[in-house]
Amino acid sequence: KAGVTQTPRYLIKTRGQQVTLSCSPISGHRSVSWYQQTPGQGLQFLFEYFSETQRNKGNFPGRFSGRQFSNSRSEMNVSTLELGDSALYLCASSLASYTDTQYFGPGTRLTVL
Amino acid sequence: GDSVTQMEGPVTLSEEAFLTINCTYTATGYPSLFWYVQYPGEGLQLLLKATKADDKGSNKGFEATYRKETTSFHLEKGSVQVSDSAVYFCALIKGGSEKLVFGKGTKLTVNP
Repeated sequence: KAGVTQTPRYLIKTRGQQVTLSCSPISGHRSVSWYQQTPGQGLQFLFEYFSETQRNKGNFPGRFSGRQFSNSRSEMNVSTLELGDSALYLCASSLASYTDTQYFGPGTRLTVL
Repeated sequence: GDSVTQMEGPVTLSEEAFLTINCTYTATGYPSLFWYVQYPGEGLQLLLKATKADDKGSNKGFEATYRKETTSFHLEKGSVQVSDSAVYFCALIKGGSEKLVFGKGTKLTVNP
C-alpha cells in the first residue's frame, strides 16, 4: 500500500508570496493533519480535516488555511509569506479518529527568502 | 494544556550500548502515547505506541511502557546500532483534539 505523498518536496519563495502544498493520504484514510516543524518551535499542529471538514485547528494565524477534497487529498495554503514560515511542513493521515495511528509523509521543505 | 517533556540530548552512544530516552507527559484524561523516529531528510515514522496504562509498545528492539502513576513513557533499547542514529520524538494524543502533541525531540548518534 502506498504511503502518504506530499508535493512538492522543496519550495523556495520570497516574502509576500503565497504557496500551496499538497498531500495525498494513504488509500482509505479519511483524516489528514498538517504539522509545521522548525528548529526553534519543534513540531506544531496546524489543522486536521475529516470528510472535507476542518475538525481541529492549531494556534496559527489566518494566513494558514487548508482544505480537503472528496477523495481525501488535502492542500494547505500560506498567504503573504514571512521569513518565519520557513519550515518543514508534514502531512499525516489516519483512518478516522484519534485512536487510529497517524502516518506521516516525507514533508515539504519551504524556504522563504 | 497538554504537554510532553523529553530529554533533549544530543545523546551519543557506542554501538551495542543500552539506550534510555526519558519522556514524561502532562495531560488530563487518558491519552495514547507514541514514539516516532525521524531519519535525516525524512518525515516521521511510527516506532511504537501504547493506548492505556501498563501497555508496553515494542518494535525493532525498542520498548516503552505506559506508566500512568509516573506519567512517563521512557524509550529503551538493549543494544543500539549505527542505523538507529536519528531524532526520536515522544508524543501524545487525546480524544476530542485529534492532534498529536510532541516533545522537542532527542537526537541520537551511535558510533561504531
